[in-house]
Amino acid sequence: AQSVTQLDSQVPVFEEAPVELRCNYSSSVSVYLFWYVQYPNQGLQLLLKYLSGSTLVKGINGFEAEFNKSQTSFHLRKPSVHISDTAEYFCAVSLRSARQLTFGSGTQLTVLP
Amino acid sequence: EADIYQTPRYLVIGTGKKITLECSQTMGHDKMYWYQQDPGMELHLIHYSYGVNSTEKGDLSSESTVSRIRTEHFPLTLESARPSHTSQYLCASSADGSYGYTFGSGTRLTVV
Repeated sequence: AQSVTQLDSQVPVFEEAPVELRCNYSSSVSVYLFWYVQYPNQGLQLLLKYLSGSTLVKGINGFEAEFNKSQTSFHLRKPSVHISDTAEYFCAVSLRSARQLTFGSGTQLTVLP
Repeated sequence: EADIYQTPRYLVIGTGKKITLECSQTMGHDKMYWYQQDPGMELHLIHYSYGVNSTEKGDLSSESTVSRIRTEHFPLTLESARPSHTSQYLCASSADGSYGYTFGSGTRLTVV
């Protein structure tokens, strides 16, 4: 079975600074990878996903993520964050044959003025 | 614009009441899911369905029940609400693994 580890539960960062949210997964077979964002009192919104092909994936709101198969990682990055990026971010993985996603425990990103 | 709808968005209800949280999607997805989430915490899968008349319990034990009589509708019912049921409930749907999930806006339930 696959699992997802988000290495940081909370990440504070100053406005306009770069940020990286870390995600590692464990699986012996090919997977699909996702990042979701959740604003307060909202559902989750898809930021980006990796299915195959280029290992650098660009998403909405200026976010991007890089798939690293050898390190089984899928870290999320943004070169310059805004106050409005303050939210909870969830990494998720799915086996290509599966019908469910496995979610990480989430990372709270707080952007400070 | 959301294609999956949850109602109500907020609900405050007394202990012992029966409640139904509604979830509907217009995308024709076969797979639907219910998650429970406490504030700032991880998601816990409580129910899922892979099609009409098919429902299963998830990883987290829950006193709630679900039904799937129509593809687009996946309501969750609590027969007798208790304060321990206070939480946010998220509904999601999916076409297949490569699409990920589409989530509703959630229902925040408070049982007093």
